[in-house]
Amino acid sequence: DTAVSQTPKYLVTQMGNDKSIKCEQNLGHDTMYWYKQDSKKFLKIMFSYNNKELIINETVPNRFSPKSPDKAHLNLHINSLELGDSAVYFCASSQVPIYGYTFGSGTRLTVV
Amino acid sequence: AQSVTQLGSHVSVSEGALVLLRCNYSSSVPPYLFWYVQYPNQGLQLLLKYTTGATLVKGINGFEAEFKKSETSFHLTKPSAHMSDAAEYFCAVSGINTDKLIFGTGTRLQVFP
Repeated sequence: DTAVSQTPKYLVTQMGNDKSIKCEQNLGHDTMYWYKQDSKKFLKIMFSYNNKELIINETVPNRFSPKSPDKAHLNLHINSLELGDSAVYFCASSQVPIYGYTFGSGTRLTVV
Repeated sequence: AQSVTQLGSHVSVSEGALVLLRCNYSSSVPPYLFWYVQYPNQGLQLLLKYTTGATLVKGINGFEAEFKKSETSFHLTKPSAHMSDAAEYFCAVSGINTDKLIFGTGTRLQVFP
């Protein structure tokens, strides 16, 4: 039973399209995150939610909109996709951040 | 502000040799430090962490790291490399009252037979 699961695993789409990535955790954690990993493997936080409330919103374009219907789910919707959005997006969760995060296996988004 | 610097984007060792992956941090508050491992096409897995207490921390798969405040370092070591250790390794820092992990740029470990 996967602790943090993301769907889809791969996503190939054309520029200008709108797409969503879903994330679910069954660990009972209160906090969930979205990270972006670029082609050079650099990981940068995008958003964090604590119990459905937005806590962190790094300087991410408005085209990216997270939604948390409940504390077990954190989805990422991206409007008007651009070539530069191509990356691997990781969802993660934690109960107490200083104890570390549990990561999903990632969604590889390719915009063509 | 917090940051992490990983020295060496690529490290190559022979199987059975010592593994040493370097990490230096900068933090205005007492740091919490982490090492994560990423195998190809997988997510990140926590190897070990330092929060408080003993400065030498042991993790999974025979890895350990030592927190050295005077050197602002948290280097990762393993006495004897195994082929299965080949992966990308990330050092990360957080701190009390901060809710995010700041990652280093990663070090790719290659293990040769």
